[in-house]
Amino acid sequence: EDQVTQSPEALRLQEGESSSLNCSYTVSGLRGLFWYRQDPGKGPEFLFTLYSAGEEKEKERLKATLTKKESFLHITAPKPEDSATYLCAVQARAGNNRKLIWGLGTSLAVNP
Amino acid sequence: DTGVSQDPRHKITKRGQNVTFRCDPISEHNRLYWYRQTLGQGPEFLTYFQNEAQLEKSRLLSDRFSAERPKGSFSTLEIQRTEQGDSAMYLCASSLITTDTQYFGPGTRLTVL
Repeated sequence: EDQVTQSPEALRLQEGESSSLNCSYTVSGLRGLFWYRQDPGKGPEFLFTLYSAGEEKEKERLKATLTKKESFLHITAPKPEDSATYLCAVQARAGNNRKLIWGLGTSLAVNP
Repeated sequence: DTGVSQDPRHKITKRGQNVTFRCDPISEHNRLYWYRQTLGQGPEFLTYFQNEAQLEKSRLLSDRFSAERPKGSFSTLEIQRTEQGDSAMYLCASSLITTDTQYFGPGTRLTVL
């Protein structure tokens, strides 16, 4: 069964304190792995898509990496406005349905 | 490009009532998805359209749920005879056929009393 596990469940950082979030996955053929940011009461906001092991994407203070079994979201020198829940999702290669299979998310709080 | 929009943003209803939500995808996006999310969980897939065709519906989805996308543009999700367990955030997402990235709307928060 396709599955996504994120860790830690919650993370509290001081402003400027870099860290990484983990997303482990099992899927019957990976089409793509996605990172989203979600603020309370809002829909997920797209961050990155990764397709193959070794791929990296960067955006401002965020960098996403992918291996055959997991992905990391590295946050460099975070600011309070980076506080949110970060969700990881995968798409399986099989079939035409592009539905996303989600982890439970990591709740990040950045203190000033 | 105004993004995916959903209406209403919030809905409070009594158990047993029917509710209908609307989603307007990003224009020219062929694919449209509905998800449901409860507190502390990731979104759960409900159903998916390619143009006007509903191609897949989650086996977890009760017969009380129905979705349409009559002209391949906006979509509606109806829940009949609502139950307290239906309380959740209902999310709509859209994408192009040529890409895999889904863009989400702000969601409709349903509360069933």
